[in-house]
Amino acid sequence: AQSVTQLGSHVSVSEGALVLLRCNYSSSVPPYLFWYVQYPNQGLQLLLKYTSAATLVKGINGFEAEFKKSETSFHLTKPSAHMSDAAEYFCAVSDGGYQKVTFGIGTKLQVIP
Amino acid sequence: DSGVTQTPKHLITATGQRVTLRCSPRSGDLSVYWYQQSLDQGLQFLIQYYNGEERAKGNILERFSAQQFPDLHSELNLSSLELGDSALYFCASSDNRGSNEQFFGPGTRLTVL
Repeated sequence: AQSVTQLGSHVSVSEGALVLLRCNYSSSVPPYLFWYVQYPNQGLQLLLKYTSAATLVKGINGFEAEFKKSETSFHLTKPSAHMSDAAEYFCAVSDGGYQKVTFGIGTKLQVIP
Repeated sequence: DSGVTQTPKHLITATGQRVTLRCSPRSGDLSVYWYQQSLDQGLQFLIQYYNGEERAKGNILERFSAQQFPDLHSELNLSSLELGDSALYFCASSDNRGSNEQFFGPGTRLTVL
């Protein structure tokens, strides 16, 4: 069975500081991994996804994530936080194909001016 | 715009009532997923349909049911509503190819008074 653990349900950073949102996964097969972002009163939209093509994945809005198999991690980073990054971020894992996607509990990012 | 549509956007009803939420997937996607998002429970997977057939079940209450029609749109029926059913309900669709990336609709906000 697959699972996702997001460490920290709330993270606060200052504007211009590094953003680091942590995600660890477990999967019995090589996984597909995703980060989604949810802005207030909106649906989830894909930030980036790992599909085994490259371990460092670049996404939209300057975000990137690195797949580390030895650590079973897929942490999301952004070098410099903007006020517009304030949102909830979800890490998710899938075995692909017809298998369902398992989401983490989400991390709410607050950006302090 | 993800290509997934949901109606209605908002729904206010009373305890004990029954409501139907509707979802149209992206063109070509055969799978539809329903999720419930509340403040205390986070994002919970309810049920998945693939080409008209139930594929996977999550934390769906017996008072809730869903179906997917031949034109691939889906409906989520919620009955004997309780105050605790107040939440955002999201629909997502996927093509079940490769990573099985899910595309989310804007959600229906249900308020039970």
